Order: sequence, then structure tokens, then C-alpha cells
Amino acid sequence: KQEVTQIPAALSVPEGENLVLNCSFTDSAIYNLQWFRQDPGKGLTSLLLIQSSQREQTSGRLNASLDKSSGRSTLYIAASQPGDSATYLCAVRSSGSRLTFGEGTQLTVNP
Amino acid sequence: GAVVSQHPSWVICKSGTSVKIECRSLDFQATTMFWYRQFPKQSLMLMATSNEGSKATYEQGVEKDKFLINHASLTLSTLTVTSAHPEDSSFYICSARTGGRVSYNEQFFGPGTRLTVL
Repeated sequence: KQEVTQIPAALSVPEGENLVLNCSFTDSAIYNLQWFRQDPGKGLTSLLLIQSSQREQTSGRLNASLDKSSGRSTLYIAASQPGDSATYLCAVRSSGSRLTFGEGTQLTVNP
Repeated sequence: GAVVSQHPSWVICKSGTSVKIECRSLDFQATTMFWYRQFPKQSLMLMATSNEGSKATYEQGVEKDKFLINHASLTLSTLTVTSAHPEDSSFYICSARTGGRVSYNEQFFGPGTRLTVL
């Protein structure tokens, strides 16, 4: 059974700082991995999708890496802004085509 | 990116009543739709997976007679919470996946529906 863990559970940083969110998964036989953002009381916004054959994806200030063999992914956020404050969820798609979610990292960027 | 809508965004109902939540893919055809529930400060829990025209596949522990799912078209799925009770109060989120190869599919999520059962 696939298990996804995210560290840290919560993170508070000053504005402008670069930061890294971590995601690990137990079964390396995945199709792809997605990073999502969730604002309080809202649904999920897809940030980046990395296929199993890829090592990283970039979108603006976001960069996600994938090391499938070690079961790890990182989400790098450059020059953080208060508007980046949200919960970030990592999810992997493995056999059976379902997404397995981590518990999320709650990020607060202080002005 | 693709857009998924949900209606209503929030609903308050009395215990014992049934509530229907709609999920629509607005600009693409979703061969597969998913229903999740999320409790405060917890991650999403998959309830069921539905393919258009087929019966939904429910996760272990999810009562199919209580959470009725209908996926009648490629753009609409509905979740009906029957005889709702306070413990059913939660945030329900639907998701839709584009067709094609599973391995390359991206999943898009609706804005969620907050259900409060009094």
C-alpha cells in the first residue's frame, strides 16, 4: 500500500526566503507525482505534474524534482511571498490509477 | 488548466435529509471522476471512483448505500448523501481526470462543498 509523507507539517518563513518542501513515498512504482496548493476552505489547485520518466518540472518561482528510485520529491519555492501562504499537498499516482495524498505542509510567509 | 465546478459550495441541512452535490467538468470530458472527503486539518480521503456509464467503485469503509454516486455523462457526476447525520459533516471535493493514458493524466479538482448537518 502506497504511503506518502510530507515534511515539515508546518513552516513559517519571512518574505523573500527560498524554501523547500519535502515529500516521500514508499512504493517507487508510480506513474506520476503532483503538487497541489490548497487555500483554507477551498479546493485544490494543481501546481506541477511530474511524470515518472521526468526528474523535474518548473513553473515560475516553483520547481519540483522527482527521484523515483529513492521515493522522494521536493518542491522549491523561490523568493517566497505572503500570497504563497497555503497548504501544499503532494500526491502520487501508482497502480490502480488512484492518487495517494500526503498530509500536507502548511506554509506561512510573513511580510 | 481544465476547470471543475461544484454546486453547491456549501449546504446546511437537518439530520435525516438527503443532500445532492454536483460536479461538472466545464471544458473537457472526464472519463473518470473521483469523490473525496476532507476533515479539518487532514488530507483528502478518497471515497469512490466513477467512470462514465458504470457503477462507482467505493473505497473500503465507505457505505455505497449512504453515498450514492451517479456519473451519467462525461461532464457530470453527482454525490448524494442519504439520510445525513452530523458525523457526515465534512468538506467534499470532486475531481475529474482527462481521458487517454492513465500514466499521463492530470487530475483537476473542484472548489469543494462544505456540508454541515445539524
